[in-house]
Amino acid sequence: GEEVAQTPKHLVRGEGQKAKLYCAPIKGHSYVFWYQQVLKNEFKFLISFQNENVFDETGMPKERFSAKCLPNSPCSLEIQATKLEDSAVYFCASSQLGGNEAFFGQGTRLTVV
Amino acid sequence: AQSVAQPEDQVNVAEGNPLTVKCTYSVSGNPYLFWYVQYPNRGLQFLLKYITGDNLVKGSYGFEAEFNKSQTSFHLKKPSALVSDSALYFCAVRLADYKLSFGAGTTVTVRA
Repeated sequence: GEEVAQTPKHLVRGEGQKAKLYCAPIKGHSYVFWYQQVLKNEFKFLISFQNENVFDETGMPKERFSAKCLPNSPCSLEIQATKLEDSAVYFCASSQLGGNEAFFGQGTRLTVV
Repeated sequence: AQSVAQPEDQVNVAEGNPLTVKCTYSVSGNPYLFWYVQYPNRGLQFLLKYITGDNLVKGSYGFEAEFNKSQTSFHLKKPSALVSDSALYFCAVRLADYKLSFGAGTTVTVRA
């Protein structure tokens, strides 16, 4: 596709429940990034992929967060046992191999209650 | 640490007046700098980038930005603002491994 597609747009989970977010990158883009936007507009990098391989996972809280980008499937970000502080907008972005600008999806707003 | 800073939380201008959104950077080596805009309940839209070459970069929707190495700045500008330019603007720098580090954002309000 010509744009990064994220689903769902909104997700509400009770504390302790699992949340799974999906991202279809732009066709032909080799890099996928996940960011978390919290209060005061702060962006936090979570993880990136080069094709299906984890490229940089330095931002991931590994005890509860996991992510995958499998061939011929949307990428996913999964949060096990959600906490109130996980409430945020999660953005996925993709960029071309060797390209410099990343294109962002519309985001998934996760609310943990 | 490589980073960008946006010193103004808010910028208010009248329609038709010039708009400037400030960004300074702290980067070792040559910076890869970007501007993005976020409309309410929407994702980030890419406006423009500086990688190398001309210091004046032109982007989408009539925006431009000037890279100033001596002042370590990359201010976003538009000669004549529109009400529809009201949004949240983010400056960003590309770090190692291609991830972006964002500024805190500047809310632009253009009044009719």
